[in-house]
Amino acid sequence: QKEVEQNSGPLSVPEGAIASLNCTYSDRVSQSFFWYRQYSGKSPELIMSIYSNGDKEDGRFTAQLNKASQYVSLLIRDSQPSDSATYLCAVRAGEGSQGNLIFGKGTKLSVKP
Amino acid sequence: SQTIHQWPATLVQPVGSPLSLECTVEGTSNPNLYWYRQAAGRGLQLLFYSIGIGQISSEVPQNLSASRPQDRQFILSSKKLLLSDSGFYLCAWSVMGLTDTQYFGPGTRLTVL
Repeated sequence: QKEVEQNSGPLSVPEGAIASLNCTYSDRVSQSFFWYRQYSGKSPELIMSIYSNGDKEDGRFTAQLNKASQYVSLLIRDSQPSDSATYLCAVRAGEGSQGNLIFGKGTKLSVKP
Repeated sequence: SQTIHQWPATLVQPVGSPLSLECTVEGTSNPNLYWYRQAAGRGLQLLFYSIGIGQISSEVPQNLSASRPQDRQFILSSKKLLLSDSGFYLCAWSVMGLTDTQYFGPGTRLTVL
């Protein structure tokens, strides 16, 4: 059974701080990783994708991937109250661009003003 | 640009009644299409996916079915709803390629009473 694990939270950080969200996965051959943000009552929206080991930065967001440790993370710098949402980690099952996404249950982030 | 539509947005149905949810995608051709369900307190569960007209793969055996009568139309159906069918139903699309990133529609919130 291929699994994606996330701490359910809630993770509470003060405004302006760095929020760190973590995800581990069980399928060693996975090569595609995604972070989605889901506001309460809304559908998930893609934040970032990452395919290679290391860091990938996009504005205030940085995704980090360590395939050897089967670990992917999302850092949010200068957190804002508008970042309060549930963050879903998704991993593509199997190798390459085939295979369906397996989602974690999400980490709820709360940014306090 | 690509747009995905789902309707209805919300639905309240009695147990044993039929169901039909519709999803359409604009601005792309031959997309991969997906139906997910998100139940309260649970992660995203892939129900069906389709790589082309009339081609449906089922991930979870249940009383739901899916059809793809047109290239950019995906329908989720049931002949008799169960209480356990309540949840947030999400349609997603992707284009086969290097990344095959999935993008979600706005969702349909279904309550079965």
